[in-house]
Amino acid sequence: EIMLTQSPVILSLSPGERATLSCRASQSVNSYLAWFQQKPGQAPRLLIYDASNRATGIPARFSGSGSGTDFTLTISSLEPEDFAVYYCQQRSKWPLTFGGGTKVEIK
Amino acid sequence: EVQLLESGGGLVQPGGSLRLSCAASGFTFSTCAMSWVRQAPGKGLEWVSSITGSGGTTYYADSVKGRFTISRDNSENTLYLQMSSLRGEDTAIYYCAKGPYNGNYNFDYWGQGTLVTVSS
Repeated sequence: EIMLTQSPVILSLSPGERATLSCRASQSVNSYLAWFQQKPGQAPRLLIYDASNRATGIPARFSGSGSGTDFTLTISSLEPEDFAVYYCQQRSKWPLTFGGGTKVEIK
Repeated sequence: EVQLLESGGGLVQPGGSLRLSCAASGFTFSTCAMSWVRQAPGKGLEWVSSITGSGGTTYYADSVKGRFTISRDNSENTLYLQMSSLRGEDTAIYYCAKGPYNGNYNFDYWGQGTLVTVSS
């Protein structure tokens, strides 16, 4: 099973600041990595698929990079609605797995 | 507009059974892989099971293999999850999620979830 480790667990930032979230895989997932955003009481929403492709309707301030085992989600300038939990997920090998999540909270 | 609407959750005793449904609309259901993902209270996301567009191939997490069965009715645009021998650790919100096309398991749309509580 491919383990995904997200860091940091909690990221405390102010609106307007840049957020950098990390996801590390226990073995290569090529570029088959996605990022999701989840707000309290809501279903997850796809932000980035295949490491660097923004999903439909996702603002340009969200970007993804990386390949192999190391991936980054960057939010260039945090908006109030961006404070949420973010998960990475790999679809390279079965079983599909998620990271433990990073909570981006208001400082 | 893509819509996924789960139903069938509720309170069930340990060892019991439950069948979840996910009614899909707004896309060509039979051409998309579908999946179930769950989230225990206050915890992260856990993939449960996936099925190809035709229903011919299924995948399961080890934690549910042999107890859960995923299926689909393409004539009714509905995805199912039959859960049996339920345990306390199966307590979670269960989400159905679609892939963009058959064989692709990016979860591009999600339902709102249905809560399953396993307790005596």
